[in-house]
Amino acid sequence: EVQLVESGGGLVQRGGSLRLSCAASGFTFSTYWMHWVRQAPGKGLVWVSRINTDGSGANYADSVKGRFTISRDNAKNTLYLQMNSLTAEDTAVYYCATLYHDFESYWGQGIMVTVSS
Amino acid sequence: SYELTQPPSVSVSPRQTARITCSGDALPKQYVYWYQQKPGQAPVLVIYKDSERPSGIPERFSGSSSGTTVTLTITGVQAEDEADYYCQSADSSGAYLVFGGGTKLTVL
Repeated sequence: EVQLVESGGGLVQRGGSLRLSCAASGFTFSTYWMHWVRQAPGKGLVWVSRINTDGSGANYADSVKGRFTISRDNAKNTLYLQMNSLTAEDTAVYYCATLYHDFESYWGQGIMVTVSS
Repeated sequence: SYELTQPPSVSVSPRQTARITCSGDALPKQYVYWYQQKPGQAPVLVIYKDSERPSGIPERFSGSSSGTTVTLTITGVQAEDEADYYCQSADSSGAYLVFGGGTKLTVL
């Protein structure tokens, strides 16, 4: 059974930092590009970042570029998102996901990040 | 930045046909993926590469593409199809992904 389990969320003050983790199991993690997608309360899905299979390349949405860093540890089957200089606009549920890959799409259950002002 | 445009809401009676559109300048060059999201749940892929249906997704879900607009069609809508639907694609370079704003499907 495929599982993506996010952790590391919570309440953080404006300007603070947080690191999200996503533990993957049930599929060959090292062969999948991985993504972070977020959803503010009552709002739509927003793509945040992606990383290639060996971690050598990443892309970011303009809204997080320079503040967030995506990384992965294929030996630990874990995806990360380091979030710095957080603002209230970063308050959201954060999902790790494979998006589309070989006829499938896997998503975690999501983790809440709340930035207090 | 690149955007995909969806109608905020679509309403349809049971057993009728619902059509949800998604428009974007790069859609002639980039595939579109459709996700269904029910309250409190993670999204589920219902259409990939414009018109392909993953295994386990009912046949009433279909996708089509014409120029800069793609359409998700649900034929014979059922109450359980009430959800938010999001299209997802990439900009012309393929480097930056984007979701549409989402369409709330209401089954009357």
